[in-house]
Amino acid sequence: EVQLVESGGGLVQPGGSLRLSCAASGFSLSNFDMHWVRQVTGKGLEWVAALNTDGDTHYQDSVKGRFTISREIAKNSFYLQMNRLSAADTAVYYCARRYHYDTWGQGALVTVSS
Amino acid sequence: DTQMTQSPSYVSASVGDRVTITCRASQSVNNWIAWFQQKPGKAPKLLIYAAHILQSGVPSRFSGSGSGTDFTLTISSLQPEDFATYYCQQANSFPHTFGQGTKLEIK
Repeated sequence: EVQLVESGGGLVQPGGSLRLSCAASGFSLSNFDMHWVRQVTGKGLEWVAALNTDGDTHYQDSVKGRFTISREIAKNSFYLQMNRLSAADTAVYYCARRYHYDTWGQGALVTVSS
Repeated sequence: DTQMTQSPSYVSASVGDRVTITCRASQSVNNWIAWFQQKPGKAPKLLIYAAHILQSGVPSRFSGSGSGTDFTLTISSLQPEDFATYYCQQANSFPHTFGQGTKLEIK
């Protein structure tokens, strides 16, 4: 079964850092583009970042220079390193697979607050 | 950036009704558009991709159409489990952008 499971969410102070993980099963991450999408509670979906099979990365302007997307093929896992966090980054973060987002994780809540 | 304008923002309908949701892109997206369904507390679920291709396992009452900048999601006969929020998304160019969502509620 194809599955994505996020972990690493939690409460962090403004200016702090957090790393989200997305563990894949049922397929090899190396063969697919992967994305991070976030959603503020009660609001719409916002694409955050992408990593394609060639290793190219793309970022939403609001996170460029602060967030880094990466993968570890040996662990079949995908990551979002988030630095210099602010309250505006508070959201549920989802990882998703392929150009058409055919599989999503369950989401990881990130709360930035003092 | 490509802006996705989705309408309506809210629709009230009954079981058995036909419902249409539209999405307009600010520039051509070459049919790289997908539609998602989201229920409260759950991750979005892919319904349609490449404008009209039904994702495996999705009921055939869902269909997508359109080209260029104007796209439509149609639910031919609403079922109780279809009451949810729907989003369009373009994946033609980065940043990938979503519509603001359409909340479908029971009349």
